[in-house]
Amino acid sequence: SQQGEEDPQALSIQEGENATMNCSYKTSINNLQWYRQNSGRGLVHLILIRSNEREKHSGRLRVTLDTSKKSSSLLITASRAADTASYFCATRGDMRFGAGTRLTVKP
Amino acid sequence: EAQVTQNPRYLITVTGKKLTVTCSQNMNHEYMSWYRQDPGLGLRQIYYSMNVEVTDKGDVPEGYKVSRKEKRNFPLILESPSPNQTSLYFCASSLAGQNLQPQHFGDGTRLSIL
Repeated sequence: SQQGEEDPQALSIQEGENATMNCSYKTSINNLQWYRQNSGRGLVHLILIRSNEREKHSGRLRVTLDTSKKSSSLLITASRAADTASYFCATRGDMRFGAGTRLTVKP
Repeated sequence: EAQVTQNPRYLITVTGKKLTVTCSQNMNHEYMSWYRQDPGLGLRQIYYSMNVEVTDKGDVPEGYKVSRKEKRNFPLILESPSPNQTSLYFCASSLAGQNLQPQHFGDGTRLSIL
């Protein structure tokens, strides 16, 4: 089954810096999605990128997709303390998620 | 307001006492799913449902049951809970279709089985 695998497992940065996290998957996809989870809460959908797209922006979020490498990256620019959360990617299939990247943004 | 509602949010119970966690969505979504989340293991899918009366096992279905008698509801049933089912549970829903659709998640149910 398809599953996104996020990397790194944990990331700690200072407020104002950019945060980059990566997702790798194993088989072909129609689209890929990124979600955010604040501690103990449900996941919130952030952005969807289709397989024929290479880059997509939404506010301070930038997602890239490289289908030849079966990977995606999520960039959060000018990070804020409120961005502290876990980030997950999900690919086509039975909505399987990886273990996520835990981002900590220090004020 | 579009939402997925889980109840209860917190439950402490004892081994063997049957319990049901309810999940309801108001978005007319075909697809619904249950996950459990444990430290270091991410989200693991328990069961999912593509539509009314259609349910399938996810990765970790043992010890759980589900039903989908109505489109809006997808209860998770633990017939004989055990301590290894202590976890944080999430229900989610989305539109169905070949392409992955954005999922809407409930706020979670924290179960403790003593």
